[in-house]
Amino acid sequence: QKEVEQDPGPLSVPEGAIVSLNCTYSNSAFQYFMWYRQYSRKGPELLMYTYSSGNKEDGRFTAQVDKSSKYISLFIRDSQPSDSATYLCAMRLSGNTGKLIFGQGTTLQVKP
Amino acid sequence: DTAVSQTPKYLVTQMGNDKSIKCEQNLGHDTMYWYKQDSKKFLKIMFSYNNKELIINETVPNRFSPKSPDKAHLNLHINSLELGDSAVYFCASSQEGRADSEAFFGQGTRLTVV
Repeated sequence: QKEVEQDPGPLSVPEGAIVSLNCTYSNSAFQYFMWYRQYSRKGPELLMYTYSSGNKEDGRFTAQVDKSSKYISLFIRDSQPSDSATYLCAMRLSGNTGKLIFGQGTTLQVKP
Repeated sequence: DTAVSQTPKYLVTQMGNDKSIKCEQNLGHDTMYWYKQDSKKFLKIMFSYNNKELIINETVPNRFSPKSPDKAHLNLHINSLELGDSAVYFCASSQEGRADSEAFFGQGTRLTVV
């Protein structure tokens, strides 16, 4: 069983829809939770970053962390065709900045 | 101005060959990494260097040898390439010691072994 589980999709939604992306994890010691966006043939870029439990909002994006359930989510409001990409959740332990454990990534397509 | 740059972007080579991938970062970070992304987009850490010192070595075959001549550069040399080495290799960097440190990734090197 992988440390981080993420449904690879693909997920196809119409423009303007609310998108919900999720990951579950098994290691309760994870402290930092991230969402990366990866466009085709590009490197991952950090989208959202959350420490411990709670919510974080940035424009159309909201990240949620529920440590008691070992579950993290990314919500995209008013989705746009430009949001079409692969979304990777990632997490790490406290004090170990670089060793990110990634989910498999969910491929999202937003149709105009 | 590219933050983390890798060369080459594409690499096609025959089984048994030896090849190198180069990575440079201009962010002033002290830690650099190599990640491997397989055909299912699963991204996994291979190595980490902090100030030229190997910190993480994630059960990678000995055919893979990273080298960090200085903290801005991290190269990956692969000996006796195998079909299973075909993947996208990403270099990344971050600043160790900062709780909110973010890892910046390069554009990737798509390696195809034929």
